[in-house]
Amino acid sequence: GAVVSQHPSRVICKSGTSVKIECRSLDFQATTMFWYRQFPKQSLMLMATSNEGSKATYEQGVEKDKFLINHASLTLSTLTVTSAHPEDSSFYICSAPRTSGAEAFGPGTRLLVL
Amino acid sequence: QKEVEQNSGPLSVPEGAIASLNCTYSDRGSQSFFWYRQYSGKSPELIMSIYSNGDKEDGRFTAQLNKASQYVSLLIRDSQPSDSATYLCAVNAGGTSYGKLTFGQGTILTVHP
Repeated sequence: GAVVSQHPSRVICKSGTSVKIECRSLDFQATTMFWYRQFPKQSLMLMATSNEGSKATYEQGVEKDKFLINHASLTLSTLTVTSAHPEDSSFYICSAPRTSGAEAFGPGTRLLVL
Repeated sequence: QKEVEQNSGPLSVPEGAIASLNCTYSDRGSQSFFWYRQYSGKSPELIMSIYSNGDKEDGRFTAQLNKASQYVSLLIRDSQPSDSATYLCAVNAGGTSYGKLTFGQGTILTVHP
């Protein structure tokens, strides 16, 4: 069964609003989680690494004030897209590392900003 | 910069044939290697992992690793239309970056009846 969940699976919002996406590890504790973004027909792009109890680490070119990450507990990380615009419309996917070295991915959240 | 390279394809094979997907990586210190499958509109799912040189088989899938050549491949035997997807090669360097994978661009595979 799924080991990482995301909520919501799909969201449509108006330009200028903020959207929060939750990522939960279901059967293990994750001190680290990763947030990716994927545009249609493009590859995964790592946005940031979420760290429990400390600040997230953002990849180059990703605005930390626009994409707010909070790792509130060992099973929950949230990504908030602030003042969303149509160009933020994308597929957002979180993952958590496993002891095998692999990453377990959540099912993704499709964001459409009108 | 650590890189993982794949032929983006598309790779088209007939049903029942063997599909061969290739991947090279630049970080010689890489420890773990993974293949993910991603269907259109879905998130990636892990299908194979390999950690040591040689072959690893799981059902119709065989992963091959050659650390000296910095090369990892995935063979899919008896390909089915349901195997049509994007296949992502991922490499974990280990050490302090343990758990953070570097992904290739992905190879689009189409299996036609």
